[in-house]
Amino acid sequence: EAQVTQNPRYLITVTGKKLTVTCSQNMNHEYMSWYRQDPGLGLRQIYYSMNVEVTDKGDVPEGYKVSRKEKRNFPLILESPSPNQTSLYFCASSLNPRTDTQYFGPGTRLTVL
Amino acid sequence: QQQVKQSPQSLIVQKGGIPIINCAYENTAFDYFPWYQQFPGKGPALLIAIRPDVSEKKEGRFTISFNKSAKQFSLHIMDSQPGDSATYFCAARVSGGSNYKLTFGKGTLLTVNP
Repeated sequence: EAQVTQNPRYLITVTGKKLTVTCSQNMNHEYMSWYRQDPGLGLRQIYYSMNVEVTDKGDVPEGYKVSRKEKRNFPLILESPSPNQTSLYFCASSLNPRTDTQYFGPGTRLTVL
Repeated sequence: QQQVKQSPQSLIVQKGGIPIINCAYENTAFDYFPWYQQFPGKGPALLIAIRPDVSEKKEGRFTISFNKSAKQFSLHIMDSQPGDSATYFCAARVSGGSNYKLTFGKGTLLTVNP
């Protein structure tokens, strides 16, 4: 089944404790992206990747890192999480973002205490 | 600067009603306008999308109306059903450049009562 998977789905952590949210897609998609969703703000892009080893900042990259060592994986790294990073995170991927839609994962709900 | 403004924030209709959700954009470089449907606990899923060379697109009970001169587009759901209850997001995208990010509206929570 073609899909975007994220792990974990739920995470409660404390300020300053490094964490990684994994994202994997099995559709051989070139383009991958991370969004965060906050009440009243919709979804905002954090980082994106056009291909392996090619990543760039989105609208709200502060406090986040990403890597794209393999086409299928695009982990989101929070080196020192803070409470303002409490949010619902979505990974998305697309074969060709110019012509195709973006497929979203199921989301990761992160709480930073 | 909010580039895509969506209204209303929430909407309640009776079964069979026609909810209408509106979006307005500012960036004239946007050339792809999708609507996403999101159920609780799920990621957004593409519902229907339109490009600015057409004024209307219909897929099943869902219709997008697009007004390029006014920089507005809207989603109509015909014969709405309780199963349509979800959060709906409009979005816009620039197809050129180095990033194909979706710029989302803030979402509309739709409730369809039986």
